[in-house]
Amino acid sequence: GDSVTQMEGPVTLSEEAFLTINCTYTATGYPSLFWYVQYPGEGLQLLLKATKADDKGSNKGFEATYRKETTSFHLEKGSVQVSDSAVYFCALSVGGTSYGKLTFGQGTILTVHP
Amino acid sequence: GAVVSQHPSRVICKSGTSVKIECRSLDFQATTMFWYRQFPKQSLMLMATSNEGSKATYEQGVEKDKFLINHASLTLSTLTVTSAHPEDSSFYICSATSGTGGGETQYFGPGTRLLVL
Repeated sequence: GDSVTQMEGPVTLSEEAFLTINCTYTATGYPSLFWYVQYPGEGLQLLLKATKADDKGSNKGFEATYRKETTSFHLEKGSVQVSDSAVYFCALSVGGTSYGKLTFGQGTILTVHP
Repeated sequence: GAVVSQHPSRVICKSGTSVKIECRSLDFQATTMFWYRQFPKQSLMLMATSNEGSKATYEQGVEKDKFLINHASLTLSTLTVTSAHPEDSSFYICSATSGTGGGETQYFGPGTRLLVL
């Protein structure tokens, strides 16, 4: 079946540090890939997405590139801020009978200190 | 952006009782709603997909008689946990989309924390 594996957390960084959160996937079809973010006390929000190989999704300084050859979609940001502290989820969605369904990774807690 | 609300945000109930959780899309019509369950420090697990006016599609291993889902309108879906037991204690999250397939953005509710005593 489909699955998503994220790097173990929690991740603790100082402000302005470089962030990488690894994400790899297995899928039976050709998936769309997503990163969702959950701020404290709020629902999940779509951060960025990519729908085909070599696409780069970007938003709020975050980037992730759809790498089909390595089945990866790593999240990066060059300079994190305290306000980026949240839980980050990598997810995929495939077509066919699973159209629209999201399969999530386990989530990575990010804490950024001033 | 699109807003999805859930009510209640937190509920405590006795074992054997039923609990209803509401999921509403506040500013758009949701053709499809999804219900997820999240255990502490674990990922979201899809429980069922709910399309307005039709029966929900449950994921493998999810008891449809225990987790009753109704999607009576384009802005409201409900999840009823029937005869709740302590092992049903969890964080339940809904999402809604105005699309009918993959790629469309899903908007998530803030979640409902259920504690069964």
